[in-house]
Amino acid sequence: DSGVTQTPKHLITATGQRVTLRCSPRSGDLSVYWYQQSLDQGLQFLIQYYNGEERAKGNILERFSAQQFPDLHSELNLSSLELGDSALYFCASSVAGLAATDTQYFGPGTRLTVL
Amino acid sequence: GNSVTQMEGPVTLSEEAFLTINCTYTATGYPSLFWYVQYPGEGLQLLLKATKADDKGSNKGFEATYRKETTSFHLEKGSVQVSDSAVYFCALTFIYGATNKLIFGTGTLLAVQP
Repeated sequence: DSGVTQTPKHLITATGQRVTLRCSPRSGDLSVYWYQQSLDQGLQFLIQYYNGEERAKGNILERFSAQQFPDLHSELNLSSLELGDSALYFCASSVAGLAATDTQYFGPGTRLTVL
Repeated sequence: GNSVTQMEGPVTLSEEAFLTINCTYTATGYPSLFWYVQYPGEGLQLLLKATKADDKGSNKGFEATYRKETTSFHLEKGSVQVSDSAVYFCALTFIYGATNKLIFGTGTLLAVQP
């Protein structure tokens, strides 16, 4: 158990819908990351937050957004869903996310299926 | 650009066999290197890491040495068990502006047969 929690574990929805994925980091960690794992793209970095502020964006679509709240939990919002958004979405956290030596600890993931 | 290349899988071994999964990287600067493991139906778990050249990371019988001269971080284990069956990901990170995002390889599926 990494200490990072994600809910829900599974999500099945229809095209055009909007969903919210939730992540709670390990106690004491200030940085939260979101990654997408799909068969065709592999594991891709989406976005990072540090202590409530957006730190960096990766390959995140404009239909996707995220935020980190004062209690440090984070939510990833996916809207106007398409079939191709079906993937496993991981959240990770690290103590600071300010150094290459920081280790990122991953949650169990949310499997999103868009029908 | 910065990237990680892993050997193609699947790798199929008999129990107690020796394991090597090759990983090479391309990066500017001095990355940290990681191996993560994903067991069936589960999330990613950190297996080991190395943060500078010639460092050896080790955990649960797995080892990998950060070789700057060959830009490699090969994963090895002397005697695999059925319970080691999983997907193994090599990854690197360093500071890109304001982030230390991970860049992953494509993953290597290991299947260990009894």
